[in-house]
Order: sequence, then structure tokens, then C-alpha cells
Amino acid sequence: ETGVTQSPTHLIKTRGQQVTLRCSSQSGHNTVSWYQQALGQGPQFIFQYYREEENGRGNFPPRFSGLQFPNYSSELNVNALELDDSALYLCASSSGAQLAGELFFGEGSRLTVL
Amino acid sequence: RKEVEQDPGPFNVPEGATVAFNCTYSNSASQSFFWYRQDCRKEPKLLMSVYSSGNEDGRFTAQLNRASQYISLLIRDSKLSDSATYLCVVNMNSGGYQKVTFGTGTKLQVIP
Repeated sequence: ETGVTQSPTHLIKTRGQQVTLRCSSQSGHNTVSWYQQALGQGPQFIFQYYREEENGRGNFPPRFSGLQFPNYSSELNVNALELDDSALYLCASSSGAQLAGELFFGEGSRLTVL
Repeated sequence: RKEVEQDPGPFNVPEGATVAFNCTYSNSASQSFFWYRQDCRKEPKLLMSVYSSGNEDGRFTAQLNRASQYISLLIRDSKLSDSATYLCVVNMNSGGYQKVTFGTGTKLQVIP
């Protein structure tokens, strides 16, 4: 058990809808990063939050947005859902602004867009 | 060219075999390197960090070649429990802004 929890574990949405995914980081960690993992692919970096500020972003459009709260938990919001957004969304917590150590992943939220 | 490239495999090897995976990265400014392991339908977990001097953890050895921009993972005396997907991870920090890139993963199947 990593101590990183994500909710919901599974959800189904339709094209054009909006979704919010949630992540509670491991105790003592102040950094949360989000990843999208399509079937048969490696996780793709969406963004990273360190002490409530975004300090890293991958190649995802602005309709992917996030937030980190004072307790270091985090949300990922995706607007105007597209069929290709169907994937496993992974959250990882770590310590520090830079990735120098281990990422502790949650079990993921599996999103299906119909 | 992909930022991080791995041979997707699958690599099917008998128990006891030695197997090596390579990973290449395109950005010479990359700063930290890792191998993660992902079991089927599970989240990734850190296998080991990769250092320029090379590092070993039991049956696992990781190497980094900055000049050629590749990292490698060697698994000796393969066990059935080593069957998993191995993900190469590269981190870059530019002006305090992070970018973490995973490879597509290399699938290993160890056969009895």
C-alpha cells in the first residue's frame, strides 16, 4: 500500500461532458503528479503540483486542468471529454519540487468516454 | 522521434536466463533516470534509480550512458515473478519546471 488514494476507481462519461478525479497524497508528501495511461502504453505526464503551484506540464491541452489543496491532495479536471480521453488516470505523490526520488502511485481512476 | 523509446517486446525468456532492456532518450538536458515495474492492471512501482556510475540491487543492474543517451537494465537469473512490464522514466528540470517522461514499457514474460 502506497498511501495514495484515488477516486472514483471507475467512471463512465459521454463525449462533451466534464469529469473531476481526486487524489490524496501520501502523508508527508507535498508534490502530486498526474498521468494518463492508455491501454498498452506507458503513463503520459499531464502535470505536476508542488505546494499548490503547477511546476510541470506535459503535452496536454488546456482542457486538462488541475488543482492542489493546502493538505496537498489534488484534483484533475477534464472538460469537453473526447473518446480518446478514455484511459487509466494515475496520480503519484512524492516529496520536493524536483523528481529525485520515488513516485508513489495510486491504483488509478479508469475513465471510459462513450 | 519519441522523447523516450523502449523496445515494447515481449521478451519471452526461460527461468534463470539473463535479459537486458535498453531505453534511449532524446533530450540531453534530462537529469534523473529510473526504472519502474508495472504488473498487469496494477500501478507502476519503482524498481531502481539509475546513476551515472551504474548501480546494482541484487539481480538487477542499471546503467546510464549520458554520451549516447541511453539507460539499460540487466536482470540476472530471471524468476517467474519478474514477469511484468518495465518502464523507463526520464525527468527533466528546466528553470524549476518539471517534465517526467515514461517510455512505452518493455514486457517481460519469464517461462518455466
